[in-house]
Amino acid sequence: EDQVTQSPEALRLQEGESSSLNCSYTVSGLRGLFWYRQDPGKGPEFLFTLYSAGEEKEKERLKATLTKKESFLHITAPKPEDSATYLCAVQSSGGYQKVTFGTGTKLQVIP
Amino acid sequence: SAVISQKPSRDICQRGTSLTIQCQVDSQVTMMFWYRQQPGQSLTLIATANQGSEATYESGFVIDKFPISRPNLTFSTLTVSNMSPEDSSIYLCSVERLTLGTEAFFGQGTRLTVV
Repeated sequence: EDQVTQSPEALRLQEGESSSLNCSYTVSGLRGLFWYRQDPGKGPEFLFTLYSAGEEKEKERLKATLTKKESFLHITAPKPEDSATYLCAVQSSGGYQKVTFGTGTKLQVIP
Repeated sequence: SAVISQKPSRDICQRGTSLTIQCQVDSQVTMMFWYRQQPGQSLTLIATANQGSEATYESGFVIDKFPISRPNLTFSTLTVSNMSPEDSSIYLCSVERLTLGTEAFFGQGTRLTVV
């Protein structure tokens, strides 16, 4: 069974203090690893899809990287508006390509 | 990105009744999914909505409780039947679009409270 574990559960940063969120996964065959941002009361907002080890993608202050066992979401010089819950999910390549989500990291950036 | 309209955005329902949630996408998509997000938890896949055939349900979810329709490539409905307070949750529609890669997008969700 596919599994996704995110750490830490919660993270509090000062504005400008860079850090990384971790997503460890086990999957029978990886079709894609997704990162989402979710604000309270809203649906998840798509950020990135990563497909193979060594791949990196960037968007503004966010950079996602992928290895064979884990993915990192690096946040450089965060701002208060980056406060949200960040979700990681994996999609398996077998069967009907089910997506499995982690429980998320709740990020709070303090001015 | 795909624009997904989900209705209603929230509802308060009496136990024993049913609620149908609609999901409309602004373009044709290959895959549509329904998720549940219980308070403080992550997303759990309920089923994959298949166009022109019966939905594919995950373990723990059955068609009698969560009937799904997908009459075309841009629209789907999820019904929560014979509701109980345990069904109080956020229900989310998701679509997958294959462009240069795989992108998956979510609607804003339906916040359901059963009293």
